[in-house]
Amino acid sequence: GQNIDQPTEMTATEGAIVQINCTYQTSGFNGLFWYQQHAGEAPTFLSYNVLDGLEEKGRFSSFLSRSKGYSYLLLKELQMKDSASYLCAVRKTNAGKSTFGDGTTLTVKP
Amino acid sequence: IAGITQAPTSQILAAGRRMTLRCTQDMRHNAMYWYRQDLGLGLRLIHYSNTAGTTGKGEVPDGYSVSRANTDDFPLTLASAVPSQTSVYFCASSEASGMGTDTQYFGPGTRLTVL
Repeated sequence: GQNIDQPTEMTATEGAIVQINCTYQTSGFNGLFWYQQHAGEAPTFLSYNVLDGLEEKGRFSSFLSRSKGYSYLLLKELQMKDSASYLCAVRKTNAGKSTFGDGTTLTVKP
Repeated sequence: IAGITQAPTSQILAAGRRMTLRCTQDMRHNAMYWYRQDLGLGLRLIHYSNTAGTTGKGEVPDGYSVSRANTDDFPLTLASAVPSQTSVYFCASSEASGMGTDTQYFGPGTRLTVL
């Protein structure tokens, strides 16, 4: 099976940096995804890591350590619109279904 | 290009009734998925299909059935709805070519209430 753990809630200030952690235990691994989900909307893709290290995409970066079963999503220069739920998902094979964590609800305050 | 569409947007259903949630994608993706999301929780996989003509069970398949007669459509049926099936249902698809990221693209969701 797969266990995925994320903090339930986080709060940060506009303009600041926030790091959302995700730990996982899985019998197989072929990639870790981060999705963003605004309230009442569908999840949308943010990032994908399959090798160890940091992937940077604008204000968002994602890090993976496969040996530690650990990933984080780093959001820089926070904006109010970044208030959303952030879902970590792990995939066991090279295509197809993933298992999702319960998500971290981020609130950005002025 | 519409991507993924779901119907209905929302539905209130009496317990014991049969209900089919519709999902259609126009991206010619091989794989499709049905998830449910309960308040404050993540997505739980109900059923999936890696390619037309095949389906598989996810984490929470009981009380649900699916079919994949063609590439574009992946309906989810509740044979006899129960209140615990009250949830938001998301359909998703991915290329599933075995190459690349294989990102999942999600439909807008169906909000189902079973009374």
